[in-house]
Amino acid sequence: DSGVTQTPKHLITATGQRVTLRCSPRSGDLSVYWYQQSLDQGLQFLIQYYNGEERAKGNILERFSAQQFPDLHSELNLSSLELGDSALYFCASSVRQGTTPGNTIYFGEGSWLTVV
Amino acid sequence: DQQVKQNSPSLSVQEGRISILNCDYTNSMFDYFLWYKKYPAEGPTFLISISSIKDKNEDGRFTVFLNKSAKHLSLHIVPSQPGDSAVYFCAASLGYGQNFVFGPGTRLSVLP
Repeated sequence: DSGVTQTPKHLITATGQRVTLRCSPRSGDLSVYWYQQSLDQGLQFLIQYYNGEERAKGNILERFSAQQFPDLHSELNLSSLELGDSALYFCASSVRQGTTPGNTIYFGEGSWLTVV
Repeated sequence: DQQVKQNSPSLSVQEGRISILNCDYTNSMFDYFLWYKKYPAEGPTFLISISSIKDKNEDGRFTVFLNKSAKHLSLHIVPSQPGDSAVYFCAASLGYGQNFVFGPGTRLSVLP
C-alpha cells in the first residue's frame, strides 16, 4: 500500500459525459501528479500540483482539468469524453515538487475509466 | 517524440539467471533516473534510482548502471525470481523541480 488513495477504482461512462477522478496523496506529501496509461502505452504525464498550485503541465487535453484543494487532495476532471479517453489514470504524490534525489513519487492503484 | 525509450517491449528470463532491462534517452540534460515496477491492476512502485554523478547504484538484487556518454541506462536483476515478473518503467528527470518522463515499459517474465 503506497498510501496514495484513488477513487473510483473503476468507472464506465458514455461518450460525451463528464467524470471526476479523486486522489488523496500520502500524508505529508505536497505534490500531486496525474498520469494516463492507455492500452499498450507508457505512462503519460498530464499535470502536477504543488501545495495547491499548478506547477507543470504535460500532454493534458483541453477537455481535461485538475485542481488541488487546501487539504491537498486532488481531482482530475474529464469532460466531453471520447472512446479514446478509456485508460488507467494514475495519481502519484511526493513530499517535494519534481525530482530530487530521495524525493520518490508514490503511485496510487489507478482509476480505470472505460468510455462506451 | 519519445525522450525515454525502452526498445524491448518484453523479455523472458529463466529463474536464477540475470535479467537486463535497457533504457535509452535522448536529452543529455536528464540528470536523475528511476526504475519503477508495475504489477497488473496495481500502481507503479519505486525500485531504484541513480543520479548523473554516479555510474552505478546497487540495492540488493537490483543494480542500475548509467552510461552518460551513450545516454543509456540498464537495470540488472540477479538472480531473477518469478515474483520479478512485471512491467518495468524507466523514468528520467531534468533535475530539481522538474517532472519525470517515463519510457513505454518492458514486460519481464521470469520462468520457473
